[in-house]
Amino acid sequence: AQRVTQPEKLLSVFKGAPVELKCNYSYSGSPELFWYVQYSRQRLQLLLRHISRESIKGFTADLNKGETSFHLKKPFAQEEDSAMYYCALRGGTYKYIFGTGTRLKVLA
Amino acid sequence: DAGVIQSPRHEVTEMGQEVTLRCKPISGHNSLFWYRQTMMRGLELLIYFNNNVPIDDSGMPEDRFSAKMPNASFSTLKIQPSEPRDSAVYFCASSSRSDTQYFGPGTRLTVL
Repeated sequence: AQRVTQPEKLLSVFKGAPVELKCNYSYSGSPELFWYVQYSRQRLQLLLRHISRESIKGFTADLNKGETSFHLKKPFAQEEDSAMYYCALRGGTYKYIFGTGTRLKVLA
Repeated sequence: DAGVIQSPRHEVTEMGQEVTLRCKPISGHNSLFWYRQTMMRGLELLIYFNNNVPIDDSGMPEDRFSAKMPNASFSTLKIQPSEPRDSAVYFCASSSRSDTQYFGPGTRLTVL
């Protein structure tokens, strides 16, 4: 079955601390993985995608096919990183499967 | 471009009433998606249109839900009759071919 699992509903870290938002997936083929972010009172927007292999706002994510994971990391959290983060998988041409999301709170 | 536009932004209605949510995708995008967001289940795909044709409606909860896309610039999601368990945020998103999805601001629906 195709599934995206984000085990943490809420993650609280202090400003300047490292952040890791976990994402595991289940898919039989070669999926494309994404991280979307939703800041307070803003629309959901793409943060990064694994094929780009880029760093956005200091965040990176590496696709680990062996562990079927796509964890989102940032070495030093900032207060403006507080948001809802969704991991998503695209299998085939269009169908996205989203995880249930992790709310990140960065404490001053 | 204003991005994906949804209306209304908030809707409060009573159980049994008909609710219609509207979406205007980004011009030139040929794929449109309706999602429902809840605390318990996160983001769930309800229906996907490609070139105005419904391709996958397997996520539509039941017959009370229906969606249409009469042209490339407009789509509706209708719930009739509405129930309290339909309370959620409904998102519309659009994309072009295999590009990433762009989301609208969402409609927060409350059914009393």
